[in-house]
Amino acid sequence: SQELEQSPQSLIVQEGKNLTINCTSSKTLYGLYWYKQKYGEGLIFLMMLQKGGEEKSHEKITAKLDEKKQQSSLHITASQPSHAGIYLCGADITNAGNMLTFGGGTRLMVKP
Amino acid sequence: DAGITQSPRYKITETGRQVTLMCHQTWSHSYMFWYRQDLGHGLRLIYYSAAADITDKGEVPDGYVVSRSKTENFPLTLESATRSQTSVYFCASKASFSGNTIYFGEGSWLTVV
Repeated sequence: SQELEQSPQSLIVQEGKNLTINCTSSKTLYGLYWYKQKYGEGLIFLMMLQKGGEEKSHEKITAKLDEKKQQSSLHITASQPSHAGIYLCGADITNAGNMLTFGGGTRLMVKP
Repeated sequence: DAGITQSPRYKITETGRQVTLMCHQTWSHSYMFWYRQDLGHGLRLIYYSAAADITDKGEVPDGYVVSRSKTENFPLTLESATRSQTSVYFCASKASFSGNTIYFGEGSWLTVV
């Protein structure tokens, strides 16, 4: 979706390194959702952010929402091969409360 | 807990044939969605449904038909498949009270030859 831009499109990191994925919206964000997808599988819900400045963590993954910049970042600390996959951000940009628009995804590879 | 299941998982069909992708969820979620995922386009919404007998078009509805006679089922039909409909199709659902957290099925890989 051009309304949601993810960067980078792909990323290769050495195991143990930290990394950040960004999701920027051209419209007001009413909620930002992060999903992970492994090749050949469905999307797994990671985290939801709704308020400006909100930050959530799950294991070694932290997501933040910058409402003013209409941007969210996903940070992985000490990456592991199990973190490899496609990370997608989805956002409610209509405030209708019933659907998500998705970014193009970031493909992450972690080299052991 | 079966959650949301799609069938078939893999399908090869010929141009012009009718194909139906099935989606079934066991959560009694009111909302259901069909997305397609293509390289370079990410996930795009085809159709969604807010409840039984209520459906609405998404971003890319042309060439697709949906129905929702029962809350738990949301089939997607390609009436006359075209090569451009080769894609991975994801069904998803959400409860009306859970904000916008959407839960996805495993996907259906469709190839139109």
